[in-house]
Amino acid sequence: AQSVTQLDSQVPVFEEAPVELRCNYSSSVSVYLFWYVQYPNQGLQLLLKYLSGSTLVKGINGFEAEFNKSQTSFHLRKPSVHISDTAEYFCAVSEGPGGYQKVTFGIGTKLQVIP
Amino acid sequence: DSGVTQTPKHLITATGQRVTLRCSPRSGDLSVYWYQQSLDQGLQFLIQYYNGEERAKGNILERFSAQQFPDLHSELNLSSLELGDSALYFCASSPGLAGGAWGDTQYFGPGTRLTVL
Repeated sequence: AQSVTQLDSQVPVFEEAPVELRCNYSSSVSVYLFWYVQYPNQGLQLLLKYLSGSTLVKGINGFEAEFNKSQTSFHLRKPSVHISDTAEYFCAVSEGPGGYQKVTFGIGTKLQVIP
Repeated sequence: DSGVTQTPKHLITATGQRVTLRCSPRSGDLSVYWYQQSLDQGLQFLIQYYNGEERAKGNILERFSAQQFPDLHSELNLSSLELGDSALYFCASSPGLAGGAWGDTQYFGPGTRLTVL
């Protein structure tokens, strides 16, 4: 069975400072990895995803994440955050038998950007 | 706007009742997913349909059921409601390439907030 661990439930950071949101996963098979963002009172929106190839993945809004297979991690980073980045961030892993997509989401990390 | 619509936005009902939540996927998407989001359990995958057929099941209670219709819209039926069913219910859709590609991006609707009193 697959699982996702987001190590920090809340991360406060000052505006224009860098941030890293941590995500570790466990799975017995190859995985696809995702980061979604949820702004207040909205549904989730994809930030970026890793399917294959380069382990450094760039997403929208200046975010990037690095897939580390040996450490089973997929941490999300941004070099300089803005107030508008205040939201909840979900790491997710997808695996399954051929033709099925069963996604497991982490518990979420609330990013609070402080002016 | 993701292109996924959900109705109603809010639903308030009493314990023991039955409700139906509706989802219209993005144009062209064949896969529909249902999720439950609550403060204590986070975002839980309930069930996935692809082109009218059930494809994957998650933590869906027996009191809950879903279906996807020929026009690809989906409904989630919740019966014998309990206080603990109060949550935000999201629908998402994806292209479902090649019968349900693992790497599909899911596009989420705005959710239906269910309150059981």
